Amino acid sequence: QVQLVQSGSELKKPGASVKVSCEASGYIFSSYVMNWVRQAPGQGLEWMGWINTNTGNPTYARGFTGRFVFSLDTSAGTAYLQINSLKADDTAVYYCARDLGYSHGYAFDIWGQGTMVTVSS
Amino acid sequence: EIVLTQSPGTLSLSPGERATLSCRASQSVSGDYLAWYQQKSGQAPRLLIYGASSRATAIPDRFSGTGSGTEFSLTISRLETEDFAVYYCQHYGDSLTFGGGTKVEIK
Repeated sequence: QVQLVQSGSELKKPGASVKVSCEASGYIFSSYVMNWVRQAPGQGLEWMGWINTNTGNPTYARGFTGRFVFSLDTSAGTAYLQINSLKADDTAVYYCARDLGYSHGYAFDIWGQGTMVTVSS
Repeated sequence: EIVLTQSPGTLSLSPGERATLSCRASQSVSGDYLAWYQQKSGQAPRLLIYGASSRATAIPDRFSGTGSGTEFSLTISRLETEDFAVYYCQHYGDSLTFGGGTKVEIK
């Protein structure tokens, strides 16, 4: 079936880096844009940006430039989110989500299960 | 950047009752790019509605969406126990934004 499976929880110290993976299966990976969404503890959803799975070109939302890097391994059907120079307020659950594109108003129909990243000294 | 304001923050209702959730945009937007999601505790969001009024795959018909311009709503005609959750609206425009969410809790 169509699914996105993310890597497991991470505990990192401030200043470190983390790389979260999102493995797609059950569909043609390059046919759909992949988005990243952050949810801080007890808070709402925040769109981080997306990556074109055809070209590898990323687009970052305001507030997610500089330390955040989206990448792909197209041969493995996997998208990655790397966060550098981690801060305590990066503590959140990070989701990848498939984008249905123009025909469906860019709604996100398939979500990964989420990866909890905790930043603490 | 468009801001989506959801109200009420919390809705306390009983199973079988009707729930109406509001999503107001800070400026007129196209309903073609307005979606609604349900999120249960500890789970990823689930797409309910896209294009303001189209139900996503396998979504029961007790969920319906409507609206245009700056005012959109999600209605759950008769609440089932599994419907108690947090609901978010989302809009795609120059950027992509989510509303702050409405929690539907059991009264």
